[in-house]
Amino acid sequence: DAGVIQSPRHEVTEMGQEVTLRCKPISGHNSLFWYRQTMMRGLELLIYFNNNVPIDDSGMPEDRFSAKMPNASFSTLKIQPSEPRDSAVYFCASSLGRRYTEAFFGQGTRLTVV
Amino acid sequence: KNEVEQSPQNLTAQEGEFITINCSYSVGISALHWLQQHPGGGIVSLFMLSSGKKKHGRLIATINIQEKHSSLHITASHPRDSAVYICGGYQLIWGAGTKLIIKP
Repeated sequence: DAGVIQSPRHEVTEMGQEVTLRCKPISGHNSLFWYRQTMMRGLELLIYFNNNVPIDDSGMPEDRFSAKMPNASFSTLKIQPSEPRDSAVYFCASSLGRRYTEAFFGQGTRLTVV
Repeated sequence: KNEVEQSPQNLTAQEGEFITINCSYSVGISALHWLQQHPGGGIVSLFMLSSGKKKHGRLIATINIQEKHSSLHITASHPRDSAVYICGGYQLIWGAGTKLIIKP
């Protein structure tokens, strides 16, 4: 398996623009996590899906952020409108089982909002 | 706020030394994860443990649920072990990371 695949790897956008980050989990995994990593706040969980259903979105910073998982092989994280403080590395991870099983991480998307 | 504390924050050692990184947490975590993040930025999950000890090659992770403490040990350290090591658990609780540099 190719592992968790994220796209794009790098994204530079202007403030106010919509940004969509994509994730393809490992085939057969039924849990998916979106994380954000910054120097100031470290690694933070944004949202957790199980069987394509959002289970915990308490980490989503505000209404500008939304995440979807239309099927077991694809998820998106959208920011609209984007702001400079959204600049971070966004990681997607997947696991087989629920929240307390080992997760496999994608390579991340480095987002820069100017 | 951060309910997971890692120590040390930075650690530089010589190749071959035995390395210990500590992780203490103040709230209940059903399972604790240790992650490794290399300078390129990719994250690898090293261990997920809820009790006792796990070993993978030169890496050993232990956890004491009662004391809310976990340690990651590296035996016979090597420059390729240089990375940031992060401990934490489900939800919002993750440590700030320990930056490890192993000099040849």
